[in-house]
Amino acid sequence: AQTVTQSQPEMSVQEAETVTLSCTYDTSENNYYLFWYKQPPSRQMILVIRQEAYKQQNATENRFSVNFQKAAKSFSLKISDSQLGDTAMYFCAFMKHDINNDMRFGAGTRLTVKP
Amino acid sequence: NAGVMQNPRHLVRRRGQEARLRCSPMKGHSHVYWYRQLPEEGLKFMVYLQKENIIDESGMPKERFSAEFPKEGPSILRIQQVVRGDSAAYFCASSPGLTSNQPQHFGDGTRLSIL
Repeated sequence: AQTVTQSQPEMSVQEAETVTLSCTYDTSENNYYLFWYKQPPSRQMILVIRQEAYKQQNATENRFSVNFQKAAKSFSLKISDSQLGDTAMYFCAFMKHDINNDMRFGAGTRLTVKP
Repeated sequence: NAGVMQNPRHLVRRRGQEARLRCSPMKGHSHVYWYRQLPEEGLKFMVYLQKENIIDESGMPKERFSAEFPKEGPSILRIQQVVRGDSAAYFCASSPGLTSNQPQHFGDGTRLSIL
């Protein structure tokens, strides 16, 4: 079974600064996908960034980037130039590359961006 | 391009009543997943369905909970004889299915409150 661990229940950062959210996972699979989802107070789930395990290059999306360390089974999210609108719960998720596409989520990190 | 539609957005039930949560997947998606998010916790997988089939219900409580995804119409998550502990946000997600490596697309969730 796959497990996803987010060891930081809460984090805060000053506006315009950089913050890194941690995520580790446990799997025996070789092909899989990793995601970061953002859940603002509205409770919608928004896909922030995804990473295919077979790709060496770390994914980036504007101010969001990941540090994917496959051997260490680590998948951290870096948010640069933090904005007030980044305040949200952030969930790390793992998906096996198989027909089920079943996803497993971490418990989440609550990020607060302070003005 | 309608996304995953969940209704109702908010549902209030008294203890002992039945709750029915509906999820219409994105157009072209034949796989549906239900998740439960307890207050301040991460998403927990409940059940995975394809049309007319339950593929994996390992995360769903054995009693009072059931799910279906009929040939026609939305997927239904049914909770019988609700209790206070059933209060949570219930998210539905869909994916295209067998050949897809895309992440699941989430609905906005149904907030269930038990009085």
